Amino acid sequence: IQLTQSPSLLSASVGDRVTLSCKGSQNINNYLAWYQQKLGEAPKLLIYKTNSLQTGIPSRFSGSGSGTDYTLTISSLHSEDLATYYCYQYNNGLTFGSGTKLEIK
Amino acid sequence: EVQLVESGGGLVQPGRSMKLSCAASGFTFSDYYMAWVRQAPKKGLEWVASISYEGSSTYYGDSVKGRFTISRDNAKSTLYLQMNSLRSEDTATYYCARHVNYYVMDAWGQGASVTVSS
Repeated sequence: IQLTQSPSLLSASVGDRVTLSCKGSQNINNYLAWYQQKLGEAPKLLIYKTNSLQTGIPSRFSGSGSGTDYTLTISSLHSEDLATYYCYQYNNGLTFGSGTKLEIK
Repeated sequence: EVQLVESGGGLVQPGRSMKLSCAASGFTFSDYYMAWVRQAPKKGLEWVASISYEGSSTYYGDSVKGRFTISRDNAKSTLYLQMNSLRSEDTATYYCARHVNYYVMDAWGQGASVTVSS
């Protein structure tokens, strides 16, 4: 399964509501996770099984979706959310999307 | 605290071999599937390989199948990645990761840098 993330680059202001998209080439059956990777760091798990928040992750992060289309939403952008975000499917093989780089205006 | 610490990276010539290690602590290593994920410079994440609890089942990405071997030593709480016939496109940071909840990866090491160049 191939994953297409959009946009590849997103610029937003602190306090904005931000939505990142991930589209699969086939049905993912909700086996989709989201990772945050800050510059020079290892990826961090944010969301798994479409909408389950990983322990310790702020509630401003949420996930939704079904079938082939999934979304990561940050309800109110913080400056520390500057990072690249990857979606990851584990329904059929294991694949990552190409990432969305989130910049703070 | 869960910790994964990779070692064994460095510079290697094309066609040669290298073995990475990942020392795990803070959890019962044998209770988890484990994985290697890599990231080429300024590129995205690529799953490389995964291994079952006792090592009886292994899984590989297409780009490394037949060249890389994942293994584990539960007595030493250590994961390995043997990389043979290395190519320039294998240049990347290699992360060790723990699988949970089916095949989600919830803990990651800091990464080991591998550069394949003559």
